[in-house]
Amino acid sequence: DAGVTQSPTHLIKTRGQQVTLRCSPKSGHDTVSWYQQALGQGPQFIFQYYEEEERQRGNFPDRFSGHQFPNYSSELNVNALLLGDSALYLCASSLASVGANYGYTFGSGTRLTVV
Amino acid sequence: AQSVTQPDIHITVSEGASLELRCNYSYGATPYLFWYVQSPGQGLQLLLKYFSGDTLVQGIKGFEAEFKRSQSSFNLRKPSVHWSDAAEYFCAVSTDNYGQNFVFGPGTRLSVLP
Repeated sequence: DAGVTQSPTHLIKTRGQQVTLRCSPKSGHDTVSWYQQALGQGPQFIFQYYEEEERQRGNFPDRFSGHQFPNYSSELNVNALLLGDSALYLCASSLASVGANYGYTFGSGTRLTVV
Repeated sequence: AQSVTQPDIHITVSEGASLELRCNYSYGATPYLFWYVQSPGQGLQLLLKYFSGDTLVQGIKGFEAEFKRSQSSFNLRKPSVHWSDAAEYFCAVSTDNYGQNFVFGPGTRLSVLP
């Protein structure tokens, strides 16, 4: 049973560029949440997608946007990259009927470096 | 808004010694409480969770945690640490029934001496 798959694993971008990160949820899960984990910090909630719509959003600017596809996979897009966007981006999947309180399944993350 | 503090940034213990990682939260009611572990280059793995009932909860890998309402704390313990326990540990809270509002603490890095 495949867990959460994220791609790419590492990425280097230049300030001002745009980036797209991808996530395939655990089999059977229908909800995808994205977290940003800066170096030495805990993950911070970006947003959550369910039924192809953004259901909840954290305190992140509109430069951060996302999408969920009919197969439940998801993308995170970041426009106009800043140096401060350098972080590990984690995708977590869950099942809406029981909620993330019963345990997220996390991917290994995408390490984004902005230079 | 709810918040989570983990007072210890880095803890070093000897293999076989006992361990306690501290976690305090700020929230008006009792939140859902979690401990996650992150090994280098890996995502987060759930160790245990507390929703209600018995305030001492057992998790995987021999870990347990105790919820103390009066102290707004949810400390993680292990009686005998193994070298493979070296990792980053995160306490987290959720304040709704479906986990749409998860807040993680800053983490505690655990090093284990042989």
